[in-house]
Amino acid sequence: DSGVTQTPKHLITATGQRVTLRCSPRSGDLSVYWYQQSLDQGLQFLIQYYNGEERAKGNILERFSAQQFPDLHSELNLSSLELGDSALYFCASSASGTATDTQYFGPGTRLTVL
Amino acid sequence: DQQVKQNSPSLSVQEGRISILNCDYTNSMFDYFLWYKKYPAEGPTFLISISSIKDKNEDGRFTVFLNKSAKHLSLHIVPSQPGDSAVYFCAASKGFQKLVFGTGTRLLVSP
Repeated sequence: DSGVTQTPKHLITATGQRVTLRCSPRSGDLSVYWYQQSLDQGLQFLIQYYNGEERAKGNILERFSAQQFPDLHSELNLSSLELGDSALYFCASSASGTATDTQYFGPGTRLTVL
Repeated sequence: DQQVKQNSPSLSVQEGRISILNCDYTNSMFDYFLWYKKYPAEGPTFLISISSIKDKNEDGRFTVFLNKSAKHLSLHIVPSQPGDSAVYFCAASKGFQKLVFGTGTRLLVSP
């Protein structure tokens, strides 16, 4: 158990809909990261937050947005969903978000768009 | 553009033998490299890392080798155990921790 929690575990929805994925970092960690893993793909970095502020952005679509709240939990919002958005979405956290900080991953949310 | 490549999707090894997982990268600016292990229905778990100022890092049965001139790193597991069966991802970063992952290699260690 990494200490990072993600809800829900599974999500099935239809094209055009909007969903919210939730992540609670390990106790004491200030940085949260979001990754997408599509079928047979590596993990694609989406976005990083540190103590409520966006720190780095990856290949995140404009239909996707994220935020980190004062209690440090984070939410990833996916809107106007398309079939290709079906993937595993992982959240990770680290203590300070610096280059050599170990990232601890949650178990992921599996999103299926029908 | 796949900056981190794991060209072997799978690898089978017998228990007790050495497992060698390979990873190539194209971006010479990467300065930190990591290996993660992933079991089904779980998130990736950090295994071992290496800074670009080193060429080898060892942690128990796991050793990572970095060849900067070839832009290649490898993970050696000796001896391999059935519990090592998992998907292994290499990852690289430069500067702030924007990790770039490979597509993974599925290792199967048979008794």
